[in-house]
Amino acid sequence: DVKVTQSSRYLVKRTGEKVFLECVQDMDHENMFWYRQDPGLGLRLIYFSYDVKMKEKGDIPEGYSVSREKKERFSLILESASTNQTSMYLCASSSTGGAGKLFFGSGTQLSVL
Amino acid sequence: DQQVKQNSPSLSVQEGRISILNCDYTNSMFDYFLWYKKYPAEGPTFLISISSIKDKNEDGRFTVFLNKSAKHLSLHIVPSQPGDSAVYFCAAKNFGNEKLTFGTGTRLTIIP
Repeated sequence: DVKVTQSSRYLVKRTGEKVFLECVQDMDHENMFWYRQDPGLGLRLIYFSYDVKMKEKGDIPEGYSVSREKKERFSLILESASTNQTSMYLCASSSTGGAGKLFFGSGTQLSVL
Repeated sequence: DQQVKQNSPSLSVQEGRISILNCDYTNSMFDYFLWYKKYPAEGPTFLISISSIKDKNEDGRFTVFLNKSAKHLSLHIVPSQPGDSAVYFCAAKNFGNEKLTFGTGTRLTIIP
């Protein structure tokens, strides 16, 4: 069964901390994505990657960075966490030419206090 | 600028009846549309999709209709079942671009 695994289910951090969210997929997918889900705003794309060491900004990249050193792993980094980054973070992967079919992880609920 | 819109935040439907979820988009370059379903504490899962060259796609109880001239698509669920209670997201993509743009979601509640 295909799987996208996010390292933490719940995370509580303090403002100003550097936060790492990890995501691993076992489907050999080329593409990986980070979205955040907020009530009334749906899913918004933060960053995505088409290949190892490649990254592209999504719609809301401010305050975030990413790292993709290996094909199966895509990390989201909050350089200096702020309270407005409290959200549900969802990682996803897809194969190129897969008609946009994304496979999502279960999400990380991040609270920044 | 919200390119994909779901104007109904919530919808309640009696079990066994038809559920109709709507989605509008503004970007005429979108060529593929998808619906995802999300249960609490889980990631979204793919439900059904449709290419812009079609106007209907059916999979079991789920049918998606696309009206390109109106930039509108809808998801029909017949008959609705209690397990269909979830948040449904509409999504769209451009040709040659793998990223999806999602709507704000509609919470569907099926009443037994």
